[in-house]
Amino acid sequence: DADVTQTPRNRITKTGKRIMLECSQTKGHDRMYWYRQDPGLGLRLIYYSFDVKDINKGEISDGYSVSRQAQAKFSLSLESAIPNQTALYFCATSDWTAGSQETQYFGPGTRLLVL
Amino acid sequence: AQTVTQSQPEMSVQEAETVTLSCTYDTSESDYYLFWYKQPPSRQMILVIRQEAYKQQNATENRFSVNFQKAAKSFSLKISDSQLGDAAMYFCAYSLDFNTGNQFYFGTGTSLTVIP
Repeated sequence: DADVTQTPRNRITKTGKRIMLECSQTKGHDRMYWYRQDPGLGLRLIYYSFDVKDINKGEISDGYSVSRQAQAKFSLSLESAIPNQTALYFCATSDWTAGSQETQYFGPGTRLLVL
Repeated sequence: AQTVTQSQPEMSVQEAETVTLSCTYDTSESDYYLFWYKQPPSRQMILVIRQEAYKQQNATENRFSVNFQKAAKSFSLKISDSQLGDAAMYFCAYSLDFNTGNQFYFGTGTSLTVIP
């Protein structure tokens, strides 16, 4: 089974609709992240969470919100989707411990199309 | 602000040959980590190799190695004996030391084609 899963894998929605992307992990990591990937722009950080009670805005948080329901679950919401939110969305987790090399583990991605 | 620059949007290499992907970054920090991630057509992001800034020795992982030049803020990836399965988008990434908060910053990616 995959360590980091994302649902749905593909989604088409209309402008103005609310949509939620879900991420679950079985790695036991405290830190979770949401990125979006656009051609020519690489990955950009939307939100990140260092534990259940700690949620922080990333580089491009406008138009998005998140919920950390549990250590294993981190959801990304688009309250009112707009076409320029069409992108590939990645969830990631990381295994931070003091003195360690932090590495991020990515989910398979969710391809979102907003019409 | 931290930035990561990959100046080669596309690269190609003949199978079994060697290719080097470039990455430069900008930071005022002294402790940080650098990574190369691979994204094949499956869209999954796969860690290829990582390097701690305080280590002078270049990281090596089988056919993958890096040339880390801290003073020049350069972190290139060398792929030796290229294989068809190496074809993918490659992202360079930077992460701060955990004491200063840990966010990842990614470059825009280099698309690698392997020619049979």
